[in-house]
Amino acid sequence: AQSVTQLDSHVSVSEGTPVLLRCNYSSSYSPSLFWYVQHPNKGLQLLLKYTSAATLVKGINGFEAEFKKSETSFHLTKPSAHMSDAAEYFCVVRGPYSGGYNKLIFGAGTRLAVHP
Amino acid sequence: GAGVSQSPRYKVAKRGQDVALRCDPISGHVSLFWYQQALGQGPEFLTYFQNEAQLDKSGLPSDRFFAERPEGSVSTLKIQRTQQEDSAVYLCASSFDRSSYEQYFGPGTRLTVT
Repeated sequence: AQSVTQLDSHVSVSEGTPVLLRCNYSSSYSPSLFWYVQHPNKGLQLLLKYTSAATLVKGINGFEAEFKKSETSFHLTKPSAHMSDAAEYFCVVRGPYSGGYNKLIFGAGTRLAVHP
Repeated sequence: GAGVSQSPRYKVAKRGQDVALRCDPISGHVSLFWYQQALGQGPEFLTYFQNEAQLDKSGLPSDRFFAERPEGSVSTLKIQRTQQEDSAVYLCASSFDRSSYEQYFGPGTRLTVT
């Protein structure tokens, strides 16, 4: 079965310092993985996606993630945090292909706080 | 172009009341998904439509939950005889076609059952 585990429920960083949000996945086949961000009172927004092409994936707003099969990980990073990065981040795996579609399976989320 | 819209944004219902939550997907999107997000949790899949056909309702928590998309565009999620455990944010997402993995989410409807 497909699943993701986000290793930290809360992460706090200072503005200008690096961000690391950790995610491990479980999949019986080559997964498609995503990171979504959720700002208060706004819809979920896709940050980046991995679909078996390059293992280092670049997304919007300076975020990137690296797919590591040997570690079953897909950690999200950013070199320098900005105040506007404060939000909830979800690691997501595409569910098994069934009936011609894919549902998304979300992790529990990591709340990122950025301090001045 | 407009994104996915949902209404109402907030709904307070007394226990036992029926509620209806509306989703307007992006125009032309074939696939439509409903997810439920409990407080402090990630969204969980409820049901899926391809055009007007409901192909998967395996995530609906009980037979009090009902969803429809009669003309293949707007969708309504109905909850009958609401219970406190139904309190959550209900998210709607759409995607261009059935094989597309990129889903576009609406802002959600926050349902509070008192």
